[in-house]
Amino acid sequence: KQEVTQIPAALSVPEGENLVLNCSFTDSAIYNLQWFRQDPGKGLTSLLLIQSSQREQTSGRLNASLDKSSGRSTLYIAASQPGDSATYLCAVEGGGFKTIFGAGTRLFVKA
Amino acid sequence: GAGVSQSPSNKVTEKGKDVELRCDPISGHTALYWYRQRLGQGLEFLIYFQGNSAPDKSGLPSDRFSAERTGESVSTLTIQRTQQEDSAVYLCASSHGTLNEQFFGPGTRLTVL
Repeated sequence: KQEVTQIPAALSVPEGENLVLNCSFTDSAIYNLQWFRQDPGKGLTSLLLIQSSQREQTSGRLNASLDKSSGRSTLYIAASQPGDSATYLCAVEGGGFKTIFGAGTRLFVKA
Repeated sequence: GAGVSQSPSNKVTEKGKDVELRCDPISGHTALYWYRQRLGQGLEFLIYFQGNSAPDKSGLPSDRFSAERTGESVSTLTIQRTQQEDSAVYLCASSHGTLNEQFFGPGTRLTVL
């Protein structure tokens, strides 16, 4: 059974700092991994999708890497801003097209 | 273009009543997913539809839950004889084919009294 773990559970950083969020998964037989952000009381916003054959994806200040063999992904956020404050979720899509989510990392960027 | 829409946005019901939740995917998206998010918890996968293929219902929490989708359009999630434990936000997502980026709707907040 696939399990997805995100570390840390919560993170508070000053504005401008670079940071890394971690995601690990137990079953490496995945099709893709996707990073989302969730703002309080709102739905999920897709950030980056990495297919299983890819190593990384970049969008603006965000960079996500995938090491499928070791079951790890990282989301790197450069020059953090208060508007980046949200909960960041990683999700893996595997057998049966089931998408399993981690519990999330709650990020707070202080102005 | 329009994103994924869900209705109602909020639903309060009494224990034992049936409820129906609706999801309108992005036009042209063949894949549709339902998830549940209980308060303070992560997203729980419920069911996935792809085109006209029969869905895998093994993720549904109990036989009180059922879901349907007509072709590649609207989907409904029905919960019969609701229980207080069914209280959660129900989220729907769609994607252009399988294994592609999922786009989420705003969710339906269900409260069972």
